[in-house]
Amino acid sequence: DVKVTQSSRYLVKRTGEKVFLECVQDMDHENMFWYRQDPGLGLRLIYFSYDVKMKEKGDIPEGYSVSREKKERFSLILESASTNQTSMYLCASHRVMGGETQYFGPGTRLLVL
Amino acid sequence: GENVEQHPSTLSVQEGDSAVIKCTYSDSASNYFPWYKQELGKRPQLIIDIRSNVGEKKDQRIAVTLNKTAKHFSLHITETQPEDSAVYFCAASRNQGGKLIFGQGTELSVKP
Repeated sequence: DVKVTQSSRYLVKRTGEKVFLECVQDMDHENMFWYRQDPGLGLRLIYFSYDVKMKEKGDIPEGYSVSREKKERFSLILESASTNQTSMYLCASHRVMGGETQYFGPGTRLLVL
Repeated sequence: GENVEQHPSTLSVQEGDSAVIKCTYSDSASNYFPWYKQELGKRPQLIIDIRSNVGEKKDQRIAVTLNKTAKHFSLHITETQPEDSAVYFCAASRNQGGKLIFGQGTELSVKP
């Protein structure tokens, strides 16, 4: 059974703070993704990674960066948090071979004050 | 750019009725179309998917149909139950799920 975990379920930060969101998967999946989920907008891709130290921008990368130093771990970084980054953040992983779908983590609800 | 449009945004049905959610995609190279269900406070979970070489797929009370020519696909839920109440997302991918483009979501409410 695939398990994707995220470091926090709820997080409150102040404007200008540096924020780290961590995601870990235990199934040796090559691909990992970070999405933000806002009502009426669905899931929008921020960044994804298809291998260690590899990353690609998604649809809304501005204000975010990522890090993938190990295959199982994918971190999302908000360099200087702003109130418009208040959102639900979802991580997902995907195995390249086999055509499987993406498996999601439980999400982190971030509030930036 | 690539886009997936999903309708309706909200849907309310009586228990036992059928529900249909429709999605249209823009990338003609898309070949994989999953549907996710997200219950309140929980993570999205795959409920059914379809690949471009198939026109219809069924799994008990849920089915998905795909029209490649028109570039649209639909989720059909029959004999709805209150536990079907959730937000449903469609998505499209050109590489078997490697990068998904999601629709905006449909909030389904099944009234007992």
